[in-house]
Amino acid sequence: QVQLVESGGGVVQPGGSLRLSCAASGFIFSDYGMHWVRQAPGKGLEWVSFIRHDGSEKYYPETVKGRFTTSRDNSKNTLYLQINSLRTEDTAMYYCAILGQLDYWGQGTLVTVSS
Amino acid sequence: AIQMTQSPSSLSASVGDRVIITCRASQGIGNDLGWYQQKPGKVPKVLIYAASTLQSGVPSRFSGSRSGTDFTLTINGLQPEDFATYYCLQDYNYPWTFGQGTKVEIK
Repeated sequence: QVQLVESGGGVVQPGGSLRLSCAASGFIFSDYGMHWVRQAPGKGLEWVSFIRHDGSEKYYPETVKGRFTTSRDNSKNTLYLQINSLRTEDTAMYYCAILGQLDYWGQGTLVTVSS
Repeated sequence: AIQMTQSPSSLSASVGDRVIITCRASQGIGNDLGWYQQKPGKVPKVLIYAASTLQSGVPSRFSGSRSGTDFTLTINGLQPEDFATYYCLQDYNYPWTFGQGTKVEIK
């Protein structure tokens, strides 16, 4: 069965960096584009990135462009999200996901930005 | 970026009611819209994709429709397990954007 397992979250000071990982299993990872979605505590869903199956194209909203970088290692079936210059408003649960008709989400990893 | 304006932000309804949630896109997105349900402490799950196609396994009381740039999620005969927050998501172009969410509460 499809499994997506995020890791790498934690408490970090403003201005710091984190790299989130998403380990995929149960499907041919290199065939699928992958998304990151975040949700601040008590707030709505925010789409934050997409990477094509082969890593050739990446997309971000303006709110994170220049600070967030998504990447993948298809040999390790792993998706990454590098987050730099962290701000308090980046505090959220971060989910990796396959979205659309084929709909799979991980359980999320919590990032807390606080001094 | 395409803005998705979802309404209402919350509503109270009774079991058996018909519930209607709408999303308006700031520009044309064709049928490239999905509806997601999220229960407290759980990850979201897709109910409808391509504006009106019911995801496998989703009860038929859920339906989606489109009129121009306006999209509607209808729940016919609200059930206790339907109390949750619902989001629309446009996947027409990047950056994808979610609506603000609609919390459906028990009256």
